[in-house]
Amino acid sequence: GENVEQHPSTLSVQEGDSAVIKCTYSDSASNYFPWYKQELGKGPQLIIDIRSNVGEKKDQRIAVTLNKTAKHFSLHITETQPEDSAVYFCAASPGTPLVFGKGTRLSVIA
Amino acid sequence: KAGVTQTPRYLIKTRGQQVTLSCSPISGHRSVSWYQQTPGQGLQFLFEYFSETQRNKGNFPGRFSGRQFSNSRSEMNVSTLELGDSALYLCASSRGQTGSYNEQFFGPGTRLTVL
Repeated sequence: GENVEQHPSTLSVQEGDSAVIKCTYSDSASNYFPWYKQELGKGPQLIIDIRSNVGEKKDQRIAVTLNKTAKHFSLHITETQPEDSAVYFCAASPGTPLVFGKGTRLSVIA
Repeated sequence: KAGVTQTPRYLIKTRGQQVTLSCSPISGHRSVSWYQQTPGQGLQFLFEYFSETQRNKGNFPGRFSGRQFSNSRSEMNVSTLELGDSALYLCASSRGQTGSYNEQFFGPGTRLTVL
């Protein structure tokens, strides 16, 4: 079955700097890659997703890139703000339920 | 439009007891998936229901079960609780079955503590 590895597990950046979180997946049949943000005491919230026929997608300060050949995808957050502090999860879907990475705890230091 | 709601938000049970958790999906959504979230294992898929039928099941023992009603609301049940069942149980809804580019929207979760 699908296996998703996510790195790093923790990440601290200064406010205004960029943050990058990387994920790799194992099943070449995976065709949908969402990213979720989970704040303390809340459920994960979808922040951006990408489909396998697209290499990059951007939404304001957030962007996701996908390299199907290497089976990895990344989340890029620019101009980080304190409210970006949260746990971020990547996921992959090979046409079956989502398989999640273990999460990255991002801390933005003001 | 209202989001996914889960009740109760917090539960404390003792070993051996059973528990039922409830999830109301976003209006119009027909798929409900359940996940267990723990610090060590992250988000692990339990099962998915679509149109009252279980469509997929994760690798959990038979003590974990669920069902979906005609209005798409779903319940999950855990029998003979063990200490290791302590976790945040998350429900997610989507318009269609998961995969196929269907976005999943999560509820706030039910925090279950087993003593």
